[in-house]
Amino acid sequence: EAGVAQSPRYKIIEKRQSVAFWCNPISGHATLYWYQQILGQGPKLLIQFQNNGVVDDSQLPKDRFSAERLKGVDSTLKIQPAKLEDSAVYLCASSSRQGPMYEQYFGPGTRLTVT
Amino acid sequence: AQKVTQAQTEISVVEKEDVTLDCVYETRDTTYYLFWYKQPPSGELVFLIRRNSFDEQNEISGRYSWNFQKSTSSFNFTITASQVVDSAVYFCALSEAGYSTLTFGKGTMLLVSP
Repeated sequence: EAGVAQSPRYKIIEKRQSVAFWCNPISGHATLYWYQQILGQGPKLLIQFQNNGVVDDSQLPKDRFSAERLKGVDSTLKIQPAKLEDSAVYLCASSSRQGPMYEQYFGPGTRLTVT
Repeated sequence: AQKVTQAQTEISVVEKEDVTLDCVYETRDTTYYLFWYKQPPSGELVFLIRRNSFDEQNEISGRYSWNFQKSTSSFNFTITASQVVDSAVYFCALSEAGYSTLTFGKGTMLLVSP
């Protein structure tokens, strides 16, 4: 079974530029998560989708971050415009269903550097 | 509000030593779940264990064991006879019942030298 795929793996941009990350979850997984992991810290949830609907985006900085999962499969996370403090690893995870009983499988992440 | 504290930022051991990673949590819920994840240098978080708040039985899986104590709000992780391949960052996480959201600690970096 293929794992969670993410691209690109690395991205360097200047502040005020825009950037997009892509995630392809494990086939059949209804729930998809985007996490932000700043160096030296644990991952922090940005947004959770159930199929193509948003379940939780309470920690997403909506003035500059947006995410979509149009067909309930792949997802894209966008930052526009980027700030220096957005430098982090962006992790995508998926699970078969919602709830803590269902294991979240993580992708390798996209390391973003904003200069 | 829920919180997870991993007070040990970095631990260095020599191969074959036993090592314990500490995790202390805070939650107002009576039903919750605790997790441990491993993050090797490749970056992917790997699930190790999940425990619910009603199951205080300790668990052993090979060289790994977990000690859950509700009285002290702790969920500690011990690696017996550590190996170089155990070198990674280990995260403890908490989820309240009915929610998928994981609240992670800051992680403990374990360095096992030969």
